[in-house]
Amino acid sequence: NAGVMQNPRHLVRRRGQEARLRCSPMKGHSHVYWYRQLPEEGLKFMVYLQKENIIDESGMPKERFSAEFPKEGPSILRIQQVVRGDSAAYFCASSPAAGARNSPLHFGNGTRLTVT
Amino acid sequence: QKEVEQDPGPLSVPEGAIVSLNCTYSNSAFQYFMWYRQYSRKGPELLMYTYSSGNKEDGRFTAQVDKSSKYISLFIRDSQPSDSATYLCAMTPTDSWGKLQFGAGTQVVVTP
Repeated sequence: NAGVMQNPRHLVRRRGQEARLRCSPMKGHSHVYWYRQLPEEGLKFMVYLQKENIIDESGMPKERFSAEFPKEGPSILRIQQVVRGDSAAYFCASSPAAGARNSPLHFGNGTRLTVT
Repeated sequence: QKEVEQDPGPLSVPEGAIVSLNCTYSNSAFQYFMWYRQYSRKGPELLMYTYSSGNKEDGRFTAQVDKSSKYISLFIRDSQPSDSATYLCAMTPTDSWGKLQFGAGTQVVVTP
């Protein structure tokens, strides 16, 4: 997990509030991926971004969820009007390139979101 | 049916034993196969990575891929208590790099 930094590590929000999760990729990595891990389930792909571009958001819920990776600064996963079902661990991963056989994903330690 | 099936365990073995983990999958397009280790409250840590069929060895870890059977395995030799963790298999087609399909994970407990 060295290098992929996620914050906060823990986030508690009341129903209806907004949650903002941040991810700084490993140095030299320009590809960022967000995954969600629900209790007792495996990780599920949400979105794939490069700087200033969303490449694949096929795993994102259609409403309330958005992601960005600006030219400067970390990638942000935003969840508006959170509900209890959003409680999960959200992991960010990065890679130096897409489609390269020698650039598998490296994950951060995640943000654990609890919605009360 | 899930695209990737993995027995959740827990799998309990004595220290020094061989740990045998496996996953089955249904999508014949998968070409890249990975094993991650995840300790409690931590992110997944990449252990092994193989492309297409075959075996790969790295220290105490051996990964096997049998594409004809859609079956992958991870073996851990001389297991240690520090190997106690959840092991996740993951896979992806060539053109969906980064969009990994994960198994649910197998919890392994190595007892001293």
